[in-house]
Amino acid sequence: GQNIDQPTEMTATEGAIVQINCTYQTSGFNGLFWYQQHAGEAPTFLSYNVLDGLEEKGRFSSFLSRSKGYSYLLLKELQMKDSASYLCACPQTGANNLFFGTGTRLTVIP
Amino acid sequence: ETGVTQTPRHLVMGMTNKKSLKCEQHLGHNAMYWYKQSAKKPLELMFVYNFKEQTENNSVPSRFSPECPNSSHLFLHLHTLQPEDSALYLCASSPDASETQYFGPGTRLLVL
Repeated sequence: GQNIDQPTEMTATEGAIVQINCTYQTSGFNGLFWYQQHAGEAPTFLSYNVLDGLEEKGRFSSFLSRSKGYSYLLLKELQMKDSASYLCACPQTGANNLFFGTGTRLTVIP
Repeated sequence: ETGVTQTPRHLVMGMTNKKSLKCEQHLGHNAMYWYKQSAKKPLELMFVYNFKEQTENNSVPSRFSPECPNSSHLFLHLHTLQPEDSALYLCASSPDASETQYFGPGTRLLVL
């Protein structure tokens, strides 16, 4: 089977750093995606990791450890507009599809 | 502008109505998807089309009927829906299946 676990909710302060964790179980691994979704809007692509390590893209970075089945999304210098849900997703084994976690709702407070 | 458009953006329909949702992608992608997003639930895949051929159908009730006339257009035909079908319906496309997906803005559907 396939399973993705993320915390349901997180709160962080404007200007701070927050790390959103994701653990996954899959019989075959073909990369891990992070998406951002603001309330009432469509998800937008943030990052894709297929090799171990940290990928940095501006204020956002994504880390992958395939041996641990673990990824995290790191958001630096938080801004109020970063309040959103962050979705972790893996290509579904044997299928032409992405399997999504439930998402982590991040609230940034002043 | 994401390159994936959906119409209508909002839809209210009765349980006896028939309506269609439309998705169009201007990205030259080969794969298109329909997802359902209900409150506090993960995105649920409904249908996948790859090169206009349906490759996935995740046990979706027959009151939802997809149509993919070409690789740029995807429809979701709705008939005799139930109130629990009220949700945000998202269309996505990707260059090929299992690659990065780009989502449309969604259609928020309310079934009365």
